[in-house]
Amino acid sequence: GEDVEQSLFLSVREGDSSVINCTYTDSSSTYLYWYKQEPGAGLQLLTYIFSNMDMKQDQRLTVLLNKKDKHLSLRIADTQTGDSAIYFCAESQHSGNTGKLIFGQGTTLQVKP
Amino acid sequence: DAGVTQSPTHLIKTRGQQVTLRCSPKSGHDTVSWYQQALGQGPQFIFQYYEEEERQRGNFPDRFSGHQFPNYSSELNVNALLLGDSALYLCASSYSADTQYFGPGTRLTVL
Repeated sequence: GEDVEQSLFLSVREGDSSVINCTYTDSSSTYLYWYKQEPGAGLQLLTYIFSNMDMKQDQRLTVLLNKKDKHLSLRIADTQTGDSAIYFCAESQHSGNTGKLIFGQGTTLQVKP
Repeated sequence: DAGVTQSPTHLIKTRGQQVTLRCSPKSGHDTVSWYQQALGQGPQFIFQYYEEEERQRGNFPDRFSGHQFPNYSSELNVNALLLGDSALYLCASSYSADTQYFGPGTRLTVL
């Protein structure tokens, strides 16, 4: 089946760490992605992880992948007000040389000053 | 290097009309995917074009059709518009099945 689930809302204080969680169902997914969407805008690629990795760090962003539990998380260190946005987790399902993304509903991150 | 571009930015149509949305991929990308994002939802995959052919399709009716041109740009056409077609339409480009980069989207309102 195709289903990606995320919690809908997270509120943190500026300077704290944020952790956004996601579960997916397709164990054959090769890549898992995190995208950020600001109001009225398109999706900005934040980071991605290959399915044979456990962790990936990119500046303030840390992605953890638990393949056994099909659980993905995005940690944002030292969260800033500019990080307020909707964050989407997506799994990539490949078929030959094509691939479609299956998205979660998105987690709204509110950062309070 | 220009990213993915889409036109128009906003569009208002009435029920029953037809609409065409356009997308130009990032330089070096040969694959274009289209997604529909309803308000408060995650994007839903419509279809993907590669080598000017529709290679994969999501769960959307035949009213949704597309085209890819030799320069890799793409169009999304929607016929017989319904109120429920109101959404943000996102185009993403990639090199083959690699990482997809999104454009700013076209906001379609059907009255």
